[in-house]
Amino acid sequence: AQSVSQHNHHVILSEAASLELGCNYSYGGTVNLFWYVQYPGQHLQLLLKYFSGDPLVKGIKGFEAEFIKSKFSFNLRKPSVQWSDTAEYFCAVSGGYNKLIFGAGTRLAVHP
Amino acid sequence: IAGITQAPTSQILAAGRRMTLRCTQDMRHNAMYWYRQDLGLGLRLIHYSNTAGTTGKGEVPDGYSVSRANTDDFPLTLASAVPSQTSVYFCASSVAGDNNEQFFGPGTRLTVL
Repeated sequence: AQSVSQHNHHVILSEAASLELGCNYSYGGTVNLFWYVQYPGQHLQLLLKYFSGDPLVKGIKGFEAEFIKSKFSFNLRKPSVQWSDTAEYFCAVSGGYNKLIFGAGTRLAVHP
Repeated sequence: IAGITQAPTSQILAAGRRMTLRCTQDMRHNAMYWYRQDLGLGLRLIHYSNTAGTTGKGEVPDGYSVSRANTDDFPLTLASAVPSQTSVYFCASSVAGDNNEQFFGPGTRLTVL
């Protein structure tokens, strides 16, 4: 069965610090990978996605993620976080036709 | 309507009561989904529907049922609510296919006492 593991449950950073959130998945076949963000009190929104091609994917709001097939990883990065990046971040992998498997999420708190 | 709407926004329910959470989308997406979000567990798929008239079980289907009479609506029913069904419920939709982004509704916060 497919699964997604997010290593950090809570991350606290100061503004301008760099961010890297870990995501590992288990699946033997071709994968599609996603990062979603949930701002406080809001619904999930797509940050970025990887289907094929360039393993370095650029998303909205300065986020990027790198797919490393050999490590089964899809880590999310941002060079300099802002207070407005405070949110919960979910990694997800496609689990068969139309289905997504989500990780447990990482709560990011950015202090001014 | 723009995107996905869910109703109610929140609900407190006595155990044993029947409850239907409503979800409507106006994007003409073929596929729709119901997830529950619990702290430390992320989102778990309850039921899904790849197209109107068909439904399937997700990771945690027990105690829930769905129907898909048309493209736009995908209600989730708790026949006899239990406290362990206290959660935030999200409806989502997507164009059919494995590569497509899922769009999420605003959620329903359900408390079962």
